[in-house]
Amino acid sequence: QAQLVESGGGVVQPGRPLRLSCAASGFIFSDFSLHWVRQAPGKGLEWLSVISYDGNTKYYADSVKGRFTISRDNSNNTVSLQMDSLRPEDTAVYFCARGPRWSYYFDSWGQGSLVTVSS
Amino acid sequence: DIVMTQSPDSLAVSLGEVATINCRSSQSLLYSSNNKNYLVWYQQKPGQPPKLLISWATTRESGVPDRFSGSGSGTDFSLTISRLQAEDVAVYYCQQYHLSPPTFGQGTKLEI
Repeated sequence: QAQLVESGGGVVQPGRPLRLSCAASGFIFSDFSLHWVRQAPGKGLEWLSVISYDGNTKYYADSVKGRFTISRDNSNNTVSLQMDSLRPEDTAVYFCARGPRWSYYFDSWGQGSLVTVSS
Repeated sequence: DIVMTQSPDSLAVSLGEVATINCRSSQSLLYSSNNKNYLVWYQQKPGQPPKLLISWATTRESGVPDRFSGSGSGTDFSLTISRLQAEDVAVYYCQQYHLSPPTFGQGTKLEI
């Protein structure tokens, strides 16, 4: 059974960086795309970024393009999200999610990691 | 970006009855080359991540009770939950994956 576990969340000041990680197990990691999706408190879901199964293709939402960077390590079954120049509106629970190789939907999710951007 | 609009925003249904949630997209989600609709439904219970219920608009995921069914094509879709149970209390989201970026509906809160 697929399992995704996020780590690295916390409280950070505006303008500072933070790095989230997601450890995967229970499936062939290199067969799947990995995504980051966030949910602001009491709000809906917002897709942020995807990295292809081989790490060669990356896409970002306009809201984070140029500030966030996704990466993966297929030898260690991890995916990361480097978040720079954080803003208060980036406050949210950040989910790591698995997607089929060629479709952008999410068939397995982590429990999420809360990021609070506040001075 | 494709805009996804769900209705209603909240819904109260009695135990054992039927709940229907609607989802409309600003562009067709039907890909003519394979005749598939690029739409999924998720269920999110409080404090939990979303759970995939239905993909390709109508295909129930493994382990999802057959009380959950998806229908629709093009721009108009529905999620129907029959024989409503207390455990179905959740927020339900539709999401399109026809075009990037993938976009979600605003969610529908289902209560008993």
